[in-house]
Amino acid sequence: KNEVEQSPQNLTAQEGEFITINCSYSVGISALHWLQQHPGGGIVSLFMLSSGKKKHGRLIATINIQEKHSSLHITASHPRDSAVYTCATRFGNEKLTFGTGTRLTIIP
Amino acid sequence: NAGVTQTPKFQVLKTGQSMTLQCAQDMNHEYMSWYRQDPGMGLRLIHYSVGAGITDQGEVPNGYNVSRSTTEDFPLRLLSAAPSQTSVYFCASSYLPWTSGEGDEQFFGPGTRLTVL
Repeated sequence: KNEVEQSPQNLTAQEGEFITINCSYSVGISALHWLQQHPGGGIVSLFMLSSGKKKHGRLIATINIQEKHSSLHITASHPRDSAVYTCATRFGNEKLTFGTGTRLTIIP
Repeated sequence: NAGVTQTPKFQVLKTGQSMTLQCAQDMNHEYMSWYRQDPGMGLRLIHYSVGAGITDQGEVPNGYNVSRSTTEDFPLRLLSAAPSQTSVYFCASSYLPWTSGEGDEQFFGPGTRLTVL
């Protein structure tokens, strides 16, 4: 079965800490998405990547296709980064499969 | 561009009532999809469409119908609302991943919070 697993499920950190959220998947893919959802808010696509690394502000996403693993990093975390972060991918041309999300809370 | 729009934002129904959640996009995306999001769970696909006139079932299609008469619109119909359908519903659109050299970045609507009493 094609699966996407995320860890941790919940993460609480102090403002300024470096944050890492992990995503692994069961079979080879062509691209992986990272999504962000603030409490009570909509869903925003942060990154879509198929290799290497992408950076947007304090957010960095990496992917290792061979190891079937992706990470989302947040540098100098801030309370406004508190949100649910979800990875998602397609296996072949199939529908998007989502991880269960990581609930991140940054304490001032 | 307005992106992906959804109406209504909030809705309360009684068990057995029917209604239609509206979704529209103005980016000429071929692929549109409906998801539901329940507390503590990831997004689950209800129905999707790869173009006008083509729809298919997702993971949790029971109790929902869709149609795609135009590229822009993808309404979701609840036939006879049940309390188990209380959820937040998101519509999303993208280019088809297998035709777009740019990939299939997903664009989500703001969501509809539905409560069925």
